[in-house]
Amino acid sequence: EVQLVESGGGLVQPGGSLRLSCAASGFTVSSNYMSWVRQAPGKGLEWVSVIYSGGSTYYADSVKGRFTISRHNSKNTLYLQMNSLRAEDTAVYYCACTTSGAFDIWGQGTMVTVSS
Amino acid sequence: QSALTQPPSASGSPGQSVTISCTGTSSDVGGYNYVSWYQQHPGKAPKLMIYEVSKRPSGVPDRFSGSKSGNTASLTVSGLQAEDEADYYCSSYAGRPYVFGTGTKVTVL
Repeated sequence: EVQLVESGGGLVQPGGSLRLSCAASGFTVSSNYMSWVRQAPGKGLEWVSVIYSGGSTYYADSVKGRFTISRHNSKNTLYLQMNSLRAEDTAVYYCACTTSGAFDIWGQGTMVTVSS
Repeated sequence: QSALTQPPSASGSPGQSVTISCTGTSSDVGGYNYVSWYQQHPGKAPKLMIYEVSKRPSGVPDRFSGSKSGNTASLTVSGLQAEDEADYYCSSYAGRPYVFGTGTKVTVL
């Protein structure tokens, strides 16, 4: 079964750091484009970052310089390292497999709350 | 990175059709045939309904259809059913590389 399972969310103080993980099963992370998408409480979807199969990475302006996307091929896992967190980063974070310009496989999401 | 523009809400009675628009620019919607649509029920992850403007993934009913004209894409849900009540988001490859729409809440009356 094709599946993505996120973990690592939680409560963190402003300025703090958190690393999210996304474990894949049924397909290979390194052979696909993989993205992070977030959704603030009561708000819409916001694309955050993507890592292409070749290793190129891209970020939304709102997180550039603070977030880093990466993957561990042997663990078949995607990561999002989040530093210098702000209140506006509070959201449910989803990982998604990206094929033909679309997000076709989604995880269940992990909640990140940035608050003192 | 401005979001694509969608109407906040749309509604229809069971059996009727509803169409949602998604307006961008020549740098996103108008520039690529990589427009996709997502359905999201409360508390759930989004689900891909349409990709590459008008293609349906396996398992998505043919009541859902997509199209594009210039910088505006559209999603039409025909034969509305109660389970179609949800939030819908469009997305486009934008070279930046991706952008989502503002979202539309569809209500089945």
